[in-house]
Amino acid sequence: QVKLEESGGGLVNPGGSLRLSCAASGFAFSDYYISWIRLAPGRGLEWLSYVTTSGTYTNYADSVRGRFTISRDNDKSLVFLQMSSLRVEDTAVYYCARDRRPGRYFDFWGLGTPVTVSS
Amino acid sequence: QSALTQPPSASGSPGQSVTISCTGTSSDVGGFDYVSWYQHHPGKAPKVLIYEVTERPSGVPDRFSGSKSGNTASLTVSGLQADDEADYYCSSYAGSNPVIFGGGTKLTVL
Repeated sequence: QVKLEESGGGLVNPGGSLRLSCAASGFAFSDYYISWIRLAPGRGLEWLSYVTTSGTYTNYADSVRGRFTISRDNDKSLVFLQMSSLRVEDTAVYYCARDRRPGRYFDFWGLGTPVTVSS
Repeated sequence: QSALTQPPSASGSPGQSVTISCTGTSSDVGGFDYVSWYQHHPGKAPKVLIYEVTERPSGVPDRFSGSKSGNTASLTVSGLQADDEADYYCSSYAGSNPVIFGGGTKLTVL
């Protein structure tokens, strides 16, 4: 069955960096876009970034552009989110999700990995 | 791009129906038929209930239905069950900013 599993979250100081990983299984990984989405305490979901099937093209929300970088390794069925210059407001649970086109919806999600940015 | 507007809470008794609204603009909800709805039980993976305004993925009960009128989309849950108690989020394609979400609605089954 389709499975997505995030890892790499934790506690980091403001201004610090963190690298999240998303391990996929149960489907033809290289055929799908993958997105990162977060859920901050007391706030709604926020789409952050997607990567296309080959990894050639990426896109970012304005709130993270220039600070976060998404990438993928199709040989290992992995997606990464490199986060730098982290801010307190980046504190959230981070999810990876399979991104369906053209419908622009997310049909499978992981359980999420929590990120806390605090001094 | 501002988040879509959802009521923070909704409630209903078992067996009843409840409708959750999701209001955007002509640049997102009103401009594209790419509205989705997600159910999230805290601590679990979010689950897609509706995509492309009215489509239901396989395995989602037909108690869940979606619709849209102008800049407002709606999710209706019929025959409420205890397990329907969860957070519900809408989302829409928004052109240059690929996807925006609503703030979420906490559904309580009384």
